[in-house]
Amino acid sequence: GESVGLHLPTLSVQEGDNSIINCAYSNSASDYFIWYKQESGKGPQFIIDIRSNMDKRQGQRVTVLLNKTVKHLSLQIAATQPGDSAVYFCAENPDTGTASKLTFGTGTRLQVTL
Amino acid sequence: DAEITQSPRHKITETGRQVTLACHQTWNHNNMFWYRQDLGHGLRLIHYSYGVQDTNKGEVSDGYSVSRSNTEDLPLTLESAASSQTSVYFCASSEGPLGTGKYTGELFFGEGSRLTVL
Repeated sequence: GESVGLHLPTLSVQEGDNSIINCAYSNSASDYFIWYKQESGKGPQFIIDIRSNMDKRQGQRVTVLLNKTVKHLSLQIAATQPGDSAVYFCAENPDTGTASKLTFGTGTRLQVTL
Repeated sequence: DAEITQSPRHKITETGRQVTLACHQTWNHNNMFWYRQDLGHGLRLIHYSYGVQDTNKGEVSDGYSVSRSNTEDLPLTLESAASSQTSVYFCASSEGPLGTGKYTGELFFGEGSRLTVL
C-alpha cells in the first residue's frame, strides 16, 4: 500500500483514552485549516476543518482547536479506537477558496494500543 | 458510488523511461491535482487543473507534465524518469466552479501510486 513511511513522530495511546495531535503551521496569513487521516495503503481522508474566525470546532469524536497567536492547531480524538490508528496531518490555506494553495504538514503517526 | 482511481498502484521503471500515471474521477469535479508524498515532506503539489484544457504548474513541476482533455481524467507523465522521482503519487479532485480553482468542498484523494525509478 501507499503511505508516508516509518520515521514520523509517533503518538501511542491506549484504547479508550483521548488523543491530542499537534500541528504548528507556518503562514500567519492562513485562514483555513484541515486535518487529514491517512491509513496505511490509502490516500488522505478529510476529517475536520476550521476557519480562522473560529478557535474551536467539534465533529463526531473529534475536536479541532486553533490558536492563531502561536500558529498552533490541535486535533483531539475522544475515546480513541483501534480504527483511529493512522497518520494524521494538518493542512493550511492562505486563500480559503483556492485548493491549489493548500500546504500540508508532514504528519504524526497515531498508534492505538489495546 | 462516485470515486477517484489511480493506476498503476505500483510501478518500477528505469532511469530515462517515460512513465504515465493515470487518474480517473467519476464525480465530474472541475478541479484535479497531482501530489507527491516523500518521507520528511508533506504532500507537495506537482500540477493541477481547473477544467478541461486548463493545466498549471505546482511547487515541484520540473520533469512532469499533465493534460486535461476531459473532465474525468488527469494523467501525469514523467518525460524521462529520474531516481529523484521515486515517490508515492496521489491524485485528488474537488468540486468548484469551472476554471476558477475555487473549491466548495473537501479534496478527495485516490489510493496512490508508488513509483520506483532504478
